[in-house]
Amino acid sequence: VQLVQSGAEVKKPGDSLRISCKGSGYSFDNYWIGWVRQMPGKGLEWMGIIHPRSSDTRYNPSFEGHVTISVDKFIATAYLHWTSLKASDTATYYCTRGQSDFDFWGQGTLVTVSS
Amino acid sequence: EVVLTQSPGTLSLSPGERATLSCRASQRVNSRFLAWYQQKPGQAPRLLIYGASNRATDIPDRFSGSGSGPEFTLTITNVEPEDSAVYYCQQYNWSPFTFGPGTKVEIK
Repeated sequence: VQLVQSGAEVKKPGDSLRISCKGSGYSFDNYWIGWVRQMPGKGLEWMGIIHPRSSDTRYNPSFEGHVTISVDKFIATAYLHWTSLKASDTATYYCTRGQSDFDFWGQGTLVTVSS
Repeated sequence: EVVLTQSPGTLSLSPGERATLSCRASQRVNSRFLAWYQQKPGQAPRLLIYGASNRATDIPDRFSGSGSGPEFTLTITNVEPEDSAVYYCQQYNWSPFTFGPGTKVEIK
């Protein structure tokens, strides 16, 4: 099982961004994919999950409206999308496998938002 | 949302000692829905324990979990230098799922 995330990004406030997470080595359709934020030097925050087969999506209310989670099951890839980044979005973002506990994690994508 | 409090904040131990990490929830959490993760510097977290007491795949048996809502414990017997990390508990009983702030384990 592998979750491989896209590379680090440096953006300006107001920019849009989409980062990706490609699953392999398992039946991608059968497992929820989640996203977890880790701000610099801080703990873990659950952002939300999506099911690849149905695109059923659940958000943490703290993130809903600011990010969009999506999936393309045909290429076994999940996405996290911002339309207007803020400096406070600077963090490492991890994708995870699972609806509840997360048994596999991507390597993380560092997003830096700075003017 | 359910707030998880972890104690102590930092635990400093010598190799071979026993580590006891605590996770307390602000409301009752079913033990089926409590996990522990290990995160080493510069790495993604790794699942250690799910369902409060079930070891994940390839996790050494010196790691064990116990407890029931609202108090849970992660125990590491005979700590080794490679166990230096931050340990997080997570509840997935109530949405939004939440993590504790972490306990840093230092091995002298």
